[in-house]
Amino acid sequence: QVQLVQSGAEVKKPGASVKVSCKASGYTFTSHGISWVRQVSGQGLEWMGWVSAYTGFTNYAKNVQGRVTMTTDTSTSTTYMELKSLTSDDTAVYYCARMGLGDSGSCHWGQGTLVTVSS
Amino acid sequence: DVVMTQSPLSLPVTLGQPASISCRSGQGLVYSDGNIYLHWFQQRPGQSPRRLIYEVSKRDSGVPDRFSGSGSGTDFTLKISRVEAEDVGVYYCMQGTHWPITFGQGTRLEIK
Repeated sequence: QVQLVQSGAEVKKPGASVKVSCKASGYTFTSHGISWVRQVSGQGLEWMGWVSAYTGFTNYAKNVQGRVTMTTDTSTSTTYMELKSLTSDDTAVYYCARMGLGDSGSCHWGQGTLVTVSS
Repeated sequence: DVVMTQSPLSLPVTLGQPASISCRSGQGLVYSDGNIYLHWFQQRPGQSPRRLIYEVSKRDSGVPDRFSGSGSGTDFTLKISRVEAEDVGVYYCMQGTHWPITFGQGTRLEIK
């Protein structure tokens, strides 16, 4: 069955960077792109961007563009989301999800990774 | 960006009664292939979101048939025919037609 397994919780200081991984299994990795979605505690879902697992093409949300980089490693079926220049506003649960634009294939989510930014 | 506006934001429902959530998009959601990529997600407390409905009205595998989606143009609706205790959580609509992908604010369903 399709699974997306994310890396563990992180605690970072303001100004630092964080890199979260999302390892896929149960399907052909390059057939589907991965979106990253974050959720501040008690708030809604915020789409951050999408990366094609086939071409590496990315599309980022404006409010994180310039600070976020999404990449894939086809040899390990893993997608990475790196966010730089962290502030307390970046404290959230980060999810990877197999979904994208014009995509109605079965939708799967990772378990979420809590990133806490605190001095 | 396509703004997705949900209502109500809070929905208290008696067990066994129906529930309805509205989602309005700021522009049409017809993709270049003619499909409408308007989806509904459920997020139960402490869990990752789960897609319930895709392309307006198609139920995902394993989703109870008490959930249904409808709509056209810029107005879409998620209906639950008879609310059960396991339906408690937050429901989001999402458009996957235009970059950037956008979500509604979420509707919190609770049992009265």
